[in-house]
Parts: sequence; structure tokens; C-alpha cells
Amino acid sequence: DAGVIQSPRHEVTEMGQEVTLRCKPISGHNSLFWYRQTMMRGLELLIYFNNNVPIDDSGMPEDRFSAKMPNASFSTLKIQPSEPRDSAVYFCASSPAEGGETQYFGPGTRLLVL
Amino acid sequence: GNSVTQMEGPVTLSEEAFLTINCTYTATGYPSLFWYVQYPGEGLQLLLKATKADDKGSNKGFEATYRKETTSFHLEKGSVQVSDSAVYFCALSRGSARQLTFGSGTQLTVLP
Repeated sequence: DAGVIQSPRHEVTEMGQEVTLRCKPISGHNSLFWYRQTMMRGLELLIYFNNNVPIDDSGMPEDRFSAKMPNASFSTLKIQPSEPRDSAVYFCASSPAEGGETQYFGPGTRLLVL
Repeated sequence: GNSVTQMEGPVTLSEEAFLTINCTYTATGYPSLFWYVQYPGEGLQLLLKATKADDKGSNKGFEATYRKETTSFHLEKGSVQVSDSAVYFCALSRGSARQLTFGSGTQLTVLP
């Protein structure tokens, strides 16, 4: 079975540009999580969806960040406009309804904003 | 609120050495406890978990026991290999709240 799929794997962009990160969760999983990982701040939860509905977005740093989950098999995290301090690895994870505490992580998107 | 405190790294060991990475937690009630591993350039993978007091999680030679009295979930392995070099994260999950609270991670390097 395919795991969590993220695209792109690497993204280099210039300050001020819009960046869209994509995630396909594991089929049948009903919860989806977006994390950001940096050396300084470690692993931070940005937002969490359950059954496509955002449940907790308190970790979203500011209005420049937005996330959507239009259906059970797709989610996006958008940064507009991007800033150099947004440079990080962004992970998507999903978990199943049954035994739902275990999260399964994607390979991450490494974002560099110049 | 919930929190997880991990032993600070980095940790460097020789192959076949004994490994302990300490993890303590603060939470109300009875959280589930996890160890995740992150190999270079990859996402986090579940290594093991325990869902109630005195449970022992184990996988790939790693073990951790859920100790409620000391609020700890220390990771151990009797003989590490070079391939165990990675970052290890302790985490907890509290009841119906599906968010995981992660520790800061411990970098392990195993030398041949």
C-alpha cells in the first residue's frame, strides 16, 4: 500500500512568491496533520483535519498560511507571500479512524525561500 | 498542558553498545506513548508504542516500558548498529485528542 504522498519533495522559491504544498493521505485514513520542522523550533503542528474539517489551526503561524482539504484524498498547505523564515521541512501525516492515535508521516517537502 | 521532555543529544555510541534515551512526560490522565524514528532525509516512522501503564512496546530490538509512577518512557536497545543512526522522538497522545505532542528529538550516531 502506498504511504502518505507529498509533493513537491523540494521547492526553492523567492521571497514574496506563493508556495503550495500537496498531500495525499493513506486511503481510508480520516485525520490529516500538517507539521513544520526546523532546527530552531523542532517539530510543530500547524493544523489538523478530521473528516476533511479543520479541527485545530492554532499552530498556523500567521495569515500568510492557509490549508484546505477539499476531499478525503487531498490536502494543500499554501504560503502567500512566502518569506525566508518559512524555510523548513513540511510534513503531512494521516491516521486512521480505528486505532487513530498512530500517525503515518509522508517524506516531507523541503522548502527554501530565498 | 501536555509536554514531553527528552534527553538532549547528540548521542554518539560505538557499534554494539547499549543505548538509553530518556523520555519523561507531563499529562493528565493516561496518555498513549510513542517513539518515532527519523532517518536522514525521511519522514518520521513509528518505532513502538504503549497505550497503558506497565505496557512494554518493542520493535527491531528497541524497547520502552510505560512507567506511570515515574511518568517515563525510556527507549533502550541492547546492541546498537550503524544503521540505527537517526533522530528519535518521544511523543504522547491524549485520549480523543488526536494530536501528538512531540519531544525535541535526540540525534543518535553509531560509529563502526
